[in-house]
Amino acid sequence: AQTVTQSQPEMSVQEAETVTLSCTYDTSESNYYLFWYKQPPSRQMILVIRQEAYKQQNATENRFSVNFQKAAKSFSLKISDSQLGDTAMYFCAFTHNNAGNMLTFGGGTRLMVKP
Amino acid sequence: EPEVTQTPSHQVTQMGQEVILRCVPISNHLYFYWYRQILGQKVEFLVSFYNNEISEKSEIFDDQFSVERPDGSNFTLKIRSTKLEDSAMYFCASSLDRLSSPLHFGNGTRLTVT
Repeated sequence: AQTVTQSQPEMSVQEAETVTLSCTYDTSESNYYLFWYKQPPSRQMILVIRQEAYKQQNATENRFSVNFQKAAKSFSLKISDSQLGDTAMYFCAFTHNNAGNMLTFGGGTRLMVKP
Repeated sequence: EPEVTQTPSHQVTQMGQEVILRCVPISNHLYFYWYRQILGQKVEFLVSFYNNEISEKSEIFDDQFSVERPDGSNFTLKIRSTKLEDSAMYFCASSLDRLSSPLHFGNGTRLTVT
């Protein structure tokens, strides 16, 4: 069974600064995918970034980037130039080829961006 | 941008009652899902649905639960006889294919069982 752990229940950052959210996972699968989802107060879960495990290069999406350390089973999210609209719950999630879009989620990190 | 829509946003029901949660997935998507999030806990997969049948389900998805796509647009989750522990946020999601395209989630339905 897969597990996803987010060790930081809450974090805060000043507007315009950089913050890193941690995620570790455990799996015996070799072909898998990792995701970060954002859940603002509107409740809708929005995909922030996705990483295929077979890709060496870390995924980036504008101000969002990941540090994917496959050997350490670590998948952290870096948010640069934080904006007030980044305030949300952030969930790390995992799936593997045989599981399709049956995601396993971490417990979430509540991020507060302060003006 | 097309969205997954869920109704109602909040449903209150009494223990033992049947409840139906409704979702309209994105129109050209082929895979449909229900996830739930009990307050303070992780988001959990319930069921996936493709080609008018359940493709995968979790241990949570027992005989009390059923899903249906009654027409070309709606996707429903029915809980036959609700229990207090069914209180949670229920999220519908859809995707174009099984894995290579991302999940699109709805805003969720908060179910409160009293």
